[in-house]
Parts: sequence; C-alpha cells; structure tokens
Amino acid sequence: KQEVTQIPAALSVPEGENLVLNCSFTDSAIYNLQWFRQDPGKGLTSLLLIQSSQREQTSGRLNASLDKSSGRSTLYIAASQPGDSATYLCAVRRETSGSRLTFGEGTQLTVNP
Amino acid sequence: EAGVTQFPSHSVIEKGQTVTLRCDPISGHDNLYWYRRVMGKEIKFLLHFVKESKQDESGMPNNRFLAERTGGTYSTLKVQPAELEDSGVYFCASRPKPQDSQETQYFGPGTRLLVL
Repeated sequence: KQEVTQIPAALSVPEGENLVLNCSFTDSAIYNLQWFRQDPGKGLTSLLLIQSSQREQTSGRLNASLDKSSGRSTLYIAASQPGDSATYLCAVRRETSGSRLTFGEGTQLTVNP
Repeated sequence: EAGVTQFPSHSVIEKGQTVTLRCDPISGHDNLYWYRRVMGKEIKFLLHFVKESKQDESGMPNNRFLAERTGGTYSTLKVQPAELEDSGVYFCASRPKPQDSQETQYFGPGTRLLVL
C-alpha cells in the first residue's frame, strides 16, 4: 500500500526566503509525481509533474526534484512571496493502481510580508 | 477553455437525506475521477471513469455511494442515505487520454458537503 507523507505540516516564512517542502512515499514503483497548490476554498492547481524517469522539473520560481529510489521529492520555492501562501500537496501515481493519485496531507505555507 | 466544474459548491443536509453531486469535466476528456477529503485527512480516491465505463471503483467507501456517467460526459455522485462521516470536500478531476502516463489531472473546485 502506497503512503505519502509531507513534512512539515505547516510552515511560516518571511517574504523573500527560499524554502523547501518535502514529500516521501513508501512504494518506489511510481509512474509520476505531481505537486499541487490549493488555495482556501478552491480546487487543486497542478504546479509540476515529474515522470518517474526524470530527476526534476522547473517552472518559474518552482523546482521539483524526484529521487525515486529513495522515495523522496522536494519542492523548492525561490524568493517566496505572500501570494505563494497556500496548501501544497504532493501526489503519486503508482505503476500498479491505474491512474488514480495517492495524496499526502499537504503542507500549509504562509509567507508573511 | 472551461475547466472542470462542480455543482453545487456547498451542500448542507441532514443525516439520512440524499445528495447528488455533479461534475462536468473539461470537454473531450475521457477520464473522470472522484476524490474526497474528509476533515483532517488526506484526499482519497473514490473512482475512475473512462468515458461511461467504471474503470476503477475500489475507493468507494460503501454501497451508499453511487456514481454514474451516462453518455460519457458529466458525472453524478449520489450519497443515499447520507451519514455524518460523509462530510467533507468532494473533488472531481479529468484527464484527456485513457492510456498516457504523461497527462496531468485537472481538478474542479470541489463540493463542500456537510451532513448534520
């Protein structure tokens, strides 16, 4: 059974700081891993998707890395801004469970002006 | 292009009543998923449609939940009768192609269900 854990559960940083969110998964047999953002009362927005054969993906100030063998991914946010405040979710798609996603509980990020 | 839409955005019902949630996927997306997040827990998979067929319904919690996707377009998720533990946020997601590991899932805003 795949379990996804995100650490920390909550994080508060001052504006401008670089930060790292962590995701770990117990079953390394994954197709891909996605990072999502969820704003309060809103749906999930996909930020980055990393295929199992890839090591990292970048989009603007975001960089996600994947170490499949160790079951870990990180989301790096550079020069954080108050608008980055949201809950960040990590989700994996396993090789053996169709295309459904298994989610972590998320990291609630607050960037203070 | 319109995103995934869900209706209603919020629903408050009493225990024992019936509620039907609706999801309209992105036009042309064959894959449709239902997930839910109950208070304090992670988002969990409920089921997956490919067009009108149920591909995987292993996440459905019990037979009080019934999902349909007649015609392979929009989907409904009915809870009958609703119980207190059904409270949570129900998300719908869609994805274009049946067999493509490179496609992301696009999520709707969710329906917030509260059972009193």
